[in-house]
Amino acid sequence: ETGVTQSPTHLIKTRGQQVTLRCSSQSGHNTVSWYQQALGQGPQFIFQYYREEENGRGNFPPRFSGLQFPNYSSELNVNALELDDSALYLCASSARVDSGNTIYFGEGSWLTVV
Amino acid sequence: DAKTTQPNSMESNEEEPVHLPCNHSTISGTDYIHWYRQLPSQGPEYVIHGLTSNVNNRMASLAIAEDRKSSTLILHRATLRDAAVYYCILIPYAGNMLTFGGGTRLMVKP
Repeated sequence: ETGVTQSPTHLIKTRGQQVTLRCSSQSGHNTVSWYQQALGQGPQFIFQYYREEENGRGNFPPRFSGLQFPNYSSELNVNALELDDSALYLCASSARVDSGNTIYFGEGSWLTVV
Repeated sequence: DAKTTQPNSMESNEEEPVHLPCNHSTISGTDYIHWYRQLPSQGPEYVIHGLTSNVNNRMASLAIAEDRKSSTLILHRATLRDAAVYYCILIPYAGNMLTFGGGTRLMVKP
């Protein structure tokens, strides 16, 4: 148990639709990151939020957006879904933004786009 | 970001030690070496991390070469539960965004 919870665990959407995925970070963690993991691949960094501000972004288009709330929980929104967006979406939280710090992952949300 | 190179897969017998290598010849002085593992159908799990000195915790040991261009994750007694993909990742001091490579798929035989 990492204390990072994600919802929903599984969902199916149609191409062109929009989806919102949610993450509750571990208590006391102010940094949340999102990753996309396609089948058979390693996770790819989407973006990170630190104290409600975007703190870094990977190579993902603007239709991937996020939010972090005052309680440090977070949302990932994906607009205009494409078939290639089918993947496991992972949320990770940490207490600080520096690298000497353990990062805890949730179990992920499985998104299938049909 | 500095890159890491790991073997695609390794096999071990249960109860035996496992040494998982990682090469990171372009590592910079402030990069931390992190190891994560991912069991089937689960999110990645932190294993261990270090900067220059060897590190031990309840899960594993991390041996870092003197020139820091390689490291080895050591599982002292492999169990079936250790079968997973192991990722070696370098993280700059001023950041904690993980760049995952392909990792090493560890198979443990009973």
